[in-house]
Parts: sequence; structure tokens; C-alpha cells
Amino acid sequence: ETGVTQTPRHLVMGMTNKKSLKCEQHLGHNAMYWYKQSAKKPLELMFVYSLEERVENNSVPSRFSPECPNSSHLFLHLHTLQPEDSALYLCASSQVGKDRGGSNTIYFGEGSWLTVV
Amino acid sequence: QKEVEQNSGPLSVPEGAIASLNCTYSDRGSQSFFWYRQYSGKSPELIMSIYSNGDKEDGRFTAQLNKASQYVSLLIRDSQPSDSATYLCAVNTPGGYNKLIFGAGTRLAVHP
Repeated sequence: ETGVTQTPRHLVMGMTNKKSLKCEQHLGHNAMYWYKQSAKKPLELMFVYSLEERVENNSVPSRFSPECPNSSHLFLHLHTLQPEDSALYLCASSQVGKDRGGSNTIYFGEGSWLTVV
Repeated sequence: QKEVEQNSGPLSVPEGAIASLNCTYSDRGSQSFFWYRQYSGKSPELIMSIYSNGDKEDGRFTAQLNKASQYVSLLIRDSQPSDSATYLCAVNTPGGYNKLIFGAGTRLAVHP
């Protein structure tokens, strides 16, 4: 069993649909992340939940809504997406110190391939 | 200016040769540096991390860090066709939250 699991692995949705991506980490970490990877672009950090505090990238549209009910589970709720949102969405986790700093390794899940039609 | 820059490649090397991958970063306060390998259609997997100036070796892989020049490199010795992948350089930004900034990656092709 991998340390970070994501479901579904593949998702096709229409622009009017509402769907959610799910992530679960089994590593005992206290921080979880959503990254977006589009073709030929660098990995882009979307959201961080660290020590129960959410940090977000201000450029992320409101049609993406994260939820982190506990330190092991992370969701990304999707609604009224656009075709340009089609990408690989990667969940990750790591351990951070109480000062929210740290250089600890981030571990990725297998990703959810999203296609918006 | 891009925060983390990599040559997109492809970098083509013959089997058995040394592959040299380079990365530069803009934030002088960066403290932690990572190399991830990503096969086509797969998620990134960590190969090396380095925190201090100098070299760090792990099997066929050597990471090199020069903070004064703001570059980090990855050497792959005795390259194998199975090393063919995209290599992502990542830099931990100061300020916490383990916020990694990634380069766009260098595609490596090792041909028999």
C-alpha cells in the first residue's frame, strides 16, 4: 500500500458537474497539499493544510474548494470547471515542525487525471 | 524571473554515460533542495535531497549544491534506459509550510 492514496485515478466531468477528489495519507504526517500539473508547466501548489491551518495560493480560482477534515484526509471539491482545468492533480503530504518550518520531504500520491469536457 | 529554472531538454545520453542535470534558483534564502523523477503518466518520486553545500552521493546518483551560485545539479552515473524520465528540481522556500517550488523539469533520454 502506498503512503499517499488518491481516488479517483481518472475523472471526466462536464463543466456543470460537481465532483470531488479524495486523498488519504498513511504516513503520520501533519501537512497535506494539492498540486496541479498541466502539460509542459511546472508543478503548481494550490493549497496547503499544515497544523490545521490552511494556506492557499491566491491565484487558485474559487471553483476549486479544499477540505481537510483531519490530518490524514484531504479533499478537493470541484464545481463549474473549465476545459483549461484539465490536468493531473497531485496530493502530497509531509511532516512540518511546530514553527511551521521544515525541510522535510514531500511525498506524492499517484495523482488524479482530470478531464473537463 | 522564474523561481526555479531547468533546461527542458531533451537531454540525450548513451547507455553507460554520465547524465548531468542542472537547476538554478532565485531565492537566496532557500535551504532545502530536492530532485524528483517522474515517469510519463506517473507521479513524482523523490530521488535525492540536499541541504548543505557540496556533494551528496546515493548509489549512481550524486546531488551537488552551491548556494553562493544558487545552483543545484544531479549527476547520474552509468545511465540506464530505465533512467529515461523527466527530472524535477524543487526548492523549499523560506517561511515554512514546506512550500516547494518546482522547475518545469528536464527530460532525460538514455539510448542503448
